[in-house]
Amino acid sequence: AQSVAQPEDQVNVAEGNPLTVKCTYSVSGNPYLFWYVQYPNRGLQFLLKYITGDNLVKGSYGFEAEFNKSQTSFHLKKPSALVSDSALYFCAVRDDSGAGSYQLTFGKGTKLSVIP
Amino acid sequence: DSGVTQTPKHLITATGQRVTLRCSPRSGDLSVYWYQQSLDQGLQFLIQYYNGEERAKGNILERFSAQQFPDLHSELNLSSLELGDSALYFCASNLRGSSYNEQFFGPGTRLTVL
Repeated sequence: AQSVAQPEDQVNVAEGNPLTVKCTYSVSGNPYLFWYVQYPNRGLQFLLKYITGDNLVKGSYGFEAEFNKSQTSFHLKKPSALVSDSALYFCAVRDDSGAGSYQLTFGKGTKLSVIP
Repeated sequence: DSGVTQTPKHLITATGQRVTLRCSPRSGDLSVYWYQQSLDQGLQFLIQYYNGEERAKGNILERFSAQQFPDLHSELNLSSLELGDSALYFCASNLRGSSYNEQFFGPGTRLTVL
């Protein structure tokens, strides 16, 4: 079975400071990794994904993520946090459990609060 | 706006009742996924359909069922509802159901069982 861990329930960062939201994963084969953001009373919005290639992946709204195979991590980063980045962030891994099934397995989520 | 629509937005019902949640995928997307989000279980995959056929099942209860119609919209049926079924139900879609393609999520249906 594949799994994702987000070790921090909440991350607080001051506006303008860099932010990191941590994610580690466990898969049996090649990892396909995703980050989503959820604003209050909204659905999940796709931020970025890692399939193959460069370990540093750039996504929407200035976010990027670093894939580290040896540490089985896929941390989300942003150089300068905005108050509007405050939301719930989910890391997800593709779960290849059958013939062509590609449902996502999600972490528990990390609540990011950016303090003005 | 992801292009995925879900109705209704809110649903309040009583224990023992049956409800139907509807999802319309993005134009051109053949695959629909259903997820349940609750405080204690987090985001859990329920079921996937691809072009009308069931593709995968996750932690879906026997009281729950789904289908995808020829126009590719999907419905999730929840029956004999219990208090613990109160949750946010999302559907998502992507092109061809490929693992390379991100899933696009609808705004969700919030189900409250009283």
